[in-house]
Amino acid sequence: QQQVKQSPQSLIVQKGGISIINCAYENTAFDYFPWYQQFPGKGPALLIAIRPDVSEKKEGRFTISFNKSAKQFSLHIMDSQPGDSATYFCAASRRGAQKLVFGQGTRLTINP
Amino acid sequence: DADVTQTPRNRITKTGKRIMLECSQTKGHDRMYWYRQDPGLGLRLIYYSFDVKDINKGEISDGYSVSRQAQAKFSLSLESAIPNQTALYFCATSDFAANTGELFFGEGSRLTVL
Repeated sequence: QQQVKQSPQSLIVQKGGISIINCAYENTAFDYFPWYQQFPGKGPALLIAIRPDVSEKKEGRFTISFNKSAKQFSLHIMDSQPGDSATYFCAASRRGAQKLVFGQGTRLTINP
Repeated sequence: DADVTQTPRNRITKTGKRIMLECSQTKGHDRMYWYRQDPGLGLRLIYYSFDVKDINKGEISDGYSVSRQAQAKFSLSLESAIPNQTALYFCATSDFAANTGELFFGEGSRLTVL
């Protein structure tokens, strides 16, 4: 049973375009929603995270949008660059639990 | 030097063999985790440990065991490896006191079971 469902599985975007990856969760006790970025041959690394007291968080070209009523959150990458090509994972956990449940991952390719 | 070090980075073994994957960290974190990555399935938690005397099963612990030898060391064992345990394995750490929820991952151990 997948508690966090991520889509699409793969995504190809042209340089300069907007990349959008979506996640949905089931457990209403989740209150921490990070996104991790993984380059080939490396471990995942935290990219950006949000807590449900806000609907949006922006860090540079990366934005998380959060819809608590729909139990969905998404990652938007503006002005996508070839260096953004990586696998992205959404995740969720309960406060203090520090036990993340991950989505299935999205392989993002930015074409030059 | 990496803060979270996994050994070996690559291993090919045969069905039925015992395998140990090791993880050591220099971050001083109290919590350590083992995840497994499979295409299309994401990262799934195998075992986690919140301190040296604490070991907890994750969502896919069957066929695996762990040992927390010290705060800085957490090893994963496959007592009798089978082909469907072929995967990329990640060790991760977190700092409870920091209360950020952030996990810090090693670079992974790719295991192939023939």
